[in-house]
Amino acid sequence: DVKVTQSSRYLVKRTGEKVFLECVQDMDHENMFWYRQDPGLGLRLIYFSYDVKMKEKGDIPEGYSVSREKKERFSLILESASTNQTSMYLCASSLGALIDSPLHFGNGTRLTVT
Amino acid sequence: SQQGEEDPQALSIQEGENATMNCSYKTSINNLQWYRQNSGRGLVHLILIRSNEREKHSGRLRVTLDTSKKSSSLLITASRAADTASYFCATATMDSSYKLIFGSGTRLLVRP
Repeated sequence: DVKVTQSSRYLVKRTGEKVFLECVQDMDHENMFWYRQDPGLGLRLIYFSYDVKMKEKGDIPEGYSVSREKKERFSLILESASTNQTSMYLCASSLGALIDSPLHFGNGTRLTVT
Repeated sequence: SQQGEEDPQALSIQEGENATMNCSYKTSINNLQWYRQNSGRGLVHLILIRSNEREKHSGRLRVTLDTSKKSSSLLITASRAADTASYFCATATMDSSYKLIFGSGTRLLVRP
């Protein structure tokens, strides 16, 4: 089974801090994704990566950046955390393009920015 | 705007009953996927149905797809308390190989 591991289940950070969310997958998947999930807004794609060092903006990239230096690891960076970034963050990976392959999700990181 | 809209938003049934959730979408799709999310956890993939398929089964799950109506349904038969979760449909559209558009989900409660 694919395992996608997010480094923290819960995080509390202060406004203005730089925040790193880490995600590792163990199945040699090509693609990795970061979503945020908010009540009433569903899951929204922040960034995705289809190869090492390659990244593409999703629907809500503002205030975020990402890094993929190794195939198995995809990091989400909040450059200067703000209270409106309080959310559940979900990392996912897929073997191939989503026209053929499902997403495999981690258990999420619930981030609170105070 | 949401591509997929689930209906109902919430559903409460007795253990042993069947649960049916519906999903409608707006644009042409490559496939439609269903996911389950237990409270406070990540999503788990259930079934992927391609645009040229009409029905698919997996254990107690049955998914149908009607591309003419732009809708799908997920049926869970003989439900169990462990099926209590939120269920999301997600569509892979023609214009992107790397984006799934998620609906807002149906919260299912199965009472013992």
